[in-house]
Amino acid sequence: AQTVTQSQPEMSVQEAETVTLSCTYDTSESDYYLFWYKQPPSRQMILVIRQEAYKQQNATENRFSVNFQKAAKSFSLKISDSQLGDAAMYFCAYRSMNRDDKIIFGKGTRLHILP
Amino acid sequence: DVKVTQSSRYLVKRTGEKVFLECVQDMDHENMFWYRQDPGLGLRLIYFSYDVKMKEKGDIPEGYSVSREKKERFSLILESASTNQTSMYLCASMLAGGPGEDIQYFGAGTRLSVL
Repeated sequence: AQTVTQSQPEMSVQEAETVTLSCTYDTSESDYYLFWYKQPPSRQMILVIRQEAYKQQNATENRFSVNFQKAAKSFSLKISDSQLGDAAMYFCAYRSMNRDDKIIFGKGTRLHILP
Repeated sequence: DVKVTQSSRYLVKRTGEKVFLECVQDMDHENMFWYRQDPGLGLRLIYFSYDVKMKEKGDIPEGYSVSREKKERFSLILESASTNQTSMYLCASMLAGGPGEDIQYFGAGTRLSVL
């Protein structure tokens, strides 16, 4: 069975600095999808970024980018120029290409932004 | 924008009560999910549904049931609430399972306390 591991339960970063959140996963499949979701305090969880495993290019969305290392089964999220609004719980998630399969979430990393 | 609405933000119930948590989505999504979120445990899937009247057990279905009589509505039922079901419950919907259709949209959550 696939698993997703986020080894950092909490992290802090100074405003305007760069921070990287770690995620590793375990799978025997060659094609799959990876996601980072953001859950701000008392607000809805939203998608930050999505990566297709068969694409070698790392996905980016404005200040958010990923470092996807397929061989190492690593999918880290980099947040550049951190802002106070980035404070949230971040979840890494995995989904196989089988359209009937569920998404598997990691346990989350709580990110604090220090002013 | 996709809207996923959970009927209550906060709910307090007594042990043994039957509890209904309602979720409605407005984008004609095929798939709907119920998760439970607890500190240090991340999101755990309770039940999901691919279509009207269809349901599949997730990772922790014990003590819960679901109903999907209409495509837009997915209800989570606690037949006899217990204190260990005190938690945050998140509903999500997803268009389908194919590439590009697999982004999950979340409701704001229902924080349930069972006394």
